[in-house]
Amino acid sequence: GDSVTQMEGPVTLSEEAFLTINCTYTATGYPSLFWYVQYPGEGLQLLLKATKADDKGSNKGFEATYRKETTSFHLEKGSVQVSDSAVYFCALNSGGYQKVTFGTGTKLQVIP
Amino acid sequence: SQTIHQWPATLVQPVGSPLSLECTVEGTSNPNLYWYRQAAGRGLQLLFYSVGIGQISSEVPQNLSASRPQDRQFILSSKKLLLSDSGFYLCAWSRTGAEQYFGPGTRLTVT
Repeated sequence: GDSVTQMEGPVTLSEEAFLTINCTYTATGYPSLFWYVQYPGEGLQLLLKATKADDKGSNKGFEATYRKETTSFHLEKGSVQVSDSAVYFCALNSGGYQKVTFGTGTKLQVIP
Repeated sequence: SQTIHQWPATLVQPVGSPLSLECTVEGTSNPNLYWYRQAAGRGLQLLFYSVGIGQISSEVPQNLSASRPQDRQFILSSKKLLLSDSGFYLCAWSRTGAEQYFGPGTRLTVT
């Protein structure tokens, strides 16, 4: 079945540092890939997505590239801010299915 | 634009009491609807999803149930709560099952 593996957290960075959160997946066919963000006490928000190989999703300075050859969708940001502190979830949807498979989430803490 | 509501925002209930959480969506028709649970410091567990009125798929057998009495209403229920039912309950909607849009959540504490 489908699965998503994320790097273990928490990740602690200083403000303006470079961020990478690794995500790899196993899926049948050609899934769509997503990153969601959850701020403390809130629901999840869709951060970015990519629907086919080599697509780059981007939003709010975050980027992720759909790498079919390595089955990866790593999240990056060039300069993090304190306000980016949250839990980040990588997820996939295999076309034709009504469900999304989520990773376990990676907590990011950015310190001033 | 679409909006998703959940209530209550927080709930403290004794063991053995009943539960009813409600979720409604505005601004769209015939959405897929989902209930997730998130235990403290954990990932998301899909509990139920629905692709139409009266159509409920259960992902994890447990003492919870779900119903969809109207197109944009999704209810999570229990007859008798357990301590292990504590958690953060999230409702979500989707057009296709791919992109999902989440509500603000309900924090349930069973004492």
